Amino acid sequence: KNEVEQSPQNLTAQEGEFITINCSYSVGISALHWLQQHPGGGIVSLFMLSSGKKKHGRLIATINIQEKHSSLHITASHPRDSAVYICAVQSRTDKLIFGTGTRLQVFP
Amino acid sequence: DVKVTQSSRYLVKRTGEKVFLECVQDMDHENMFWYRQDPGLGLRLIYFSYDVKMKEKGDIPEGYSVSREKKERFSLILESASTNQTSMYLCASSLPGLGNTIYFGEGSWLTVV
Repeated sequence: KNEVEQSPQNLTAQEGEFITINCSYSVGISALHWLQQHPGGGIVSLFMLSSGKKKHGRLIATINIQEKHSSLHITASHPRDSAVYICAVQSRTDKLIFGTGTRLQVFP
Repeated sequence: DVKVTQSSRYLVKRTGEKVFLECVQDMDHENMFWYRQDPGLGLRLIYFSYDVKMKEKGDIPEGYSVSREKKERFSLILESASTNQTSMYLCASSLPGLGNTIYFGEGSWLTVV
């Protein structure tokens, strides 16, 4: 079993829909990262969380440390949000463990 | 603007060739990492370095070596490339300590034929 599990693996949505991507992990962590990868490979860090909730524009990330679960929400989704979203947990030794990603496609 | 630069975006190499993948960061970060990304497997850590001349094996170091002679540069070396090393390689860097933002390069797509 992977130490970091994401769901769903693939997600399609119509423009304007509210989107949720989930991440569960089984190891002790110091922080959790949400990353975005567009076609072509480059990865951008969206959020780093160690507790609670963060918001940036239409993106919201939450984490529940006790339940070892995090969610990434996108409000009013747009085609430019189409990408692979990756959850990664940072262990207490600074090592990153990645989920396999959620491929999101938003259609106009 | 912070930057992690991977010098080669797309490479095609022959089996048995020695391959160098270069990564340079301009943020004076101590930590640097090399990952490979394969469909269905996600990102897996090959090697990392906490400082100049320091290196630690990651989860899949076999067939790879690294060099960190200067703080800003972390090189991944495939001593004798094989077809199962065809992959996308990502470099990353961060400050030391827990919970710091990690910055990624644009990726290097390597095909070994």
